Amino acid sequence: QLQLQESGPGLVKPSETLSLICSVSGGSIISSSYYWGWIRQPPGKGLEWIGIIYYGGNTYYSPSLKSRVIISVDTSKNQFSLQLNSVTAADTAVYYCARHRRIVGELDPWGQGTLVTVSS
Amino acid sequence: QSALTQPTSVSGSPGQSITISCTGTSSDVGSYSYVSWYQQHPGKAPKLMIYDVTNRPSGVPNRFSGSKSGNTASLTISGLQAEDEADYYCSSYTNSNTRVFGGGTKLTVL
Repeated sequence: QLQLQESGPGLVKPSETLSLICSVSGGSIISSSYYWGWIRQPPGKGLEWIGIIYYGGNTYYSPSLKSRVIISVDTSKNQFSLQLNSVTAADTAVYYCARHRRIVGELDPWGQGTLVTVSS
Repeated sequence: QSALTQPTSVSGSPGQSITISCTGTSSDVGSYSYVSWYQQHPGKAPKLMIYDVTNRPSGVPNRFSGSKSGNTASLTISGLQAEDEADYYCSSYTNSNTRVFGGGTKLTVL
């Protein structure tokens, strides 16, 4: 059974870089059928799609975050990562990673999520 | 890209049916059959309930069904149960090779 687990600092200072890792277990990140994605949810608010990556390195990002986001993949570790630059309090959220069926499809399964707070 | 439009809240009594709408544009919902629905209980990760407009993953009760007409997709839950009380989000593929979510709907089972 495929499982995803987010990890990283729970507290980041304003203007610094938020960095998270998603570890995939129970299956390989190398698959022609799937992309791997990040989604976030500010406290008490809705879901926001951040972007996705293919094991070969192709990426697609949300237009609203594109200038600050980098998603990368490490197939040797079966992991993919999120970097969000120049963070502000508005980036405080629960960050989820999820498997994304090709570019067009649904997200399933999801990781449990990790809360990242931006504060000095 | 703007978020898809969902009602903020809906409610129903046990055994009843409810429908949650999800309105997009011709750049997303109206042009593609790649709408999915997610259920989220408080403090939990979202769970996939419907994909490709009408398909249910294995393990999801057949009380949950999806449909689409024009720029609006819908999730219907029949035979409401107390455990269905949760937030529901729709999501669609867009013509920019991205995905967009709806703002979410809080379902209350009275």
